[in-house]
Amino acid sequence: EAQVTQNPRYLITVTGKKLTVTCSQNMNHEYMSWYRQDPGLGLRQIYYSMNVEVTDKGDVPEGYKVSRKEKRNFPLILESPSPNQTSLYFCASSGRGRVVTEAFFGQGTRLTVV
Amino acid sequence: KQEVTQIPAALSVPEGENLVLNCSFTDSAIYNLQWFRQDPGKGLTSLLLIQSSQREQTSGRLNASLDKSSGRSTLYIAASQPGDSATYLCAPRGRKLIFGQGTELSVKP
Repeated sequence: EAQVTQNPRYLITVTGKKLTVTCSQNMNHEYMSWYRQDPGLGLRQIYYSMNVEVTDKGDVPEGYKVSRKEKRNFPLILESPSPNQTSLYFCASSGRGRVVTEAFFGQGTRLTVV
Repeated sequence: KQEVTQIPAALSVPEGENLVLNCSFTDSAIYNLQWFRQDPGKGLTSLLLIQSSQREQTSGRLNASLDKSSGRSTLYIAASQPGDSATYLCAPRGRKLIFGQGTELSVKP
């Protein structure tokens, strides 16, 4: 079954404690990205990756890091989380062959930073 | 920079009505456009994907159209049901996949 898997689904942490949210896809997709969703602001892109070792900033990259060492994985790293990073996070992937395929989304990670 | 607008922001209809959700985008250089559904606090469910070379796609009671040159897409829902209540998101795909703010749909029994 084609899927994007995020872990954890829920996370409560304290300010300043480094954390990683993992994302893995089983569709051999080249393109992966991270979004955050906040009430009234909608879905905003944090970072995206066109392929292994190729990453670029989205619209709200401050306070986040990513890496793409393998095609299937695209972890989101918060080096020093702050309360304003409390949000619902989504990972997505899509293929980029002759035709750009539909985007698949993970189930989301609800992060609370206290 | 791509900007996506969805109208109306919220819609409440009685069960059985046919309805149209609108999406407009500023940059017509897109590969495709995808419509999603999102239930409160949940993930995104892909409803329809229209490639840039296509004019419309249909899935069951849903029909989506795309007019790339004018930067518009519509999602038509036939014979609406209470289970259709959700937020519907439009996302044109250029270099990035950018989302509109969504239309919150409520279908009353």
